[in-house]
Amino acid sequence: GAGVSQSPSNKVTEKGKDVELRCDPISGHTALYWYRQSLGQGLEFLIYFQGNSAPDKSGLPSDRFSAERTGGSVSTLTIQRTQQEDSAVYLCASSRDLAGAGAGELFFGEGSRLTVL
Amino acid sequence: AQSVTQPDIHITVSEGASLELRCNYSYGATPYLFWYVQSPGQGLQLLLKYFSGDTLVQGIKGFEAEFKRSQSSFNLRKPSVHWSDAAEYFCAVGGLLAGNTGKLIFGQGTTLQVKP
Repeated sequence: GAGVSQSPSNKVTEKGKDVELRCDPISGHTALYWYRQSLGQGLEFLIYFQGNSAPDKSGLPSDRFSAERTGGSVSTLTIQRTQQEDSAVYLCASSRDLAGAGAGELFFGEGSRLTVL
Repeated sequence: AQSVTQPDIHITVSEGASLELRCNYSYGATPYLFWYVQSPGQGLQLLLKYFSGDTLVQGIKGFEAEFKRSQSSFNLRKPSVHWSDAAEYFCAVGGLLAGNTGKLIFGQGTTLQVKP
């Protein structure tokens, strides 16, 4: 597709359940990011994939959060044993290689709104 | 560690008035700097970016920003605000340097309200 695609757009789950959020980046973009946006909290960095390098997981808030990126394209963010404080909009973004002229310009998806009851 | 501070959480200006949104950063070298805008119900869109060269950069929608190394600032400006500019604005910092993976770090955001 032309843009970053995220699914589901909305997810309501019960506390303690696991959820998976999917991101399909723009074709050819080597970098992929996950951010979390909570009300009044701005964009909280979660994890960053760049090409074949080891991902930067420094933003993951706990070991209940994990992410993978298969084949350098689609990424899945998994939250295990969800808690109410996990409720937020999870944003995915992709960008071209950092060395290029478009370096650093992130293209964002619409986000996945997660509500944990 | 790199960080971004947007001191103003909420700003209200009258339509037609000038606007300046503040952004201060902490970084180990000359960073890449960005401003993104998030309109209600929409995704984030890049307004402008600074990598090197001229410290005054022009962006879309009539916005500009000035990189001031001595003040570690990258403030966003617009000479005359339109009602459609009401949105949330995010400053971001990133770039490659030793020990950094190149990820972008965002500020907390500034919500702009425009009065008619």
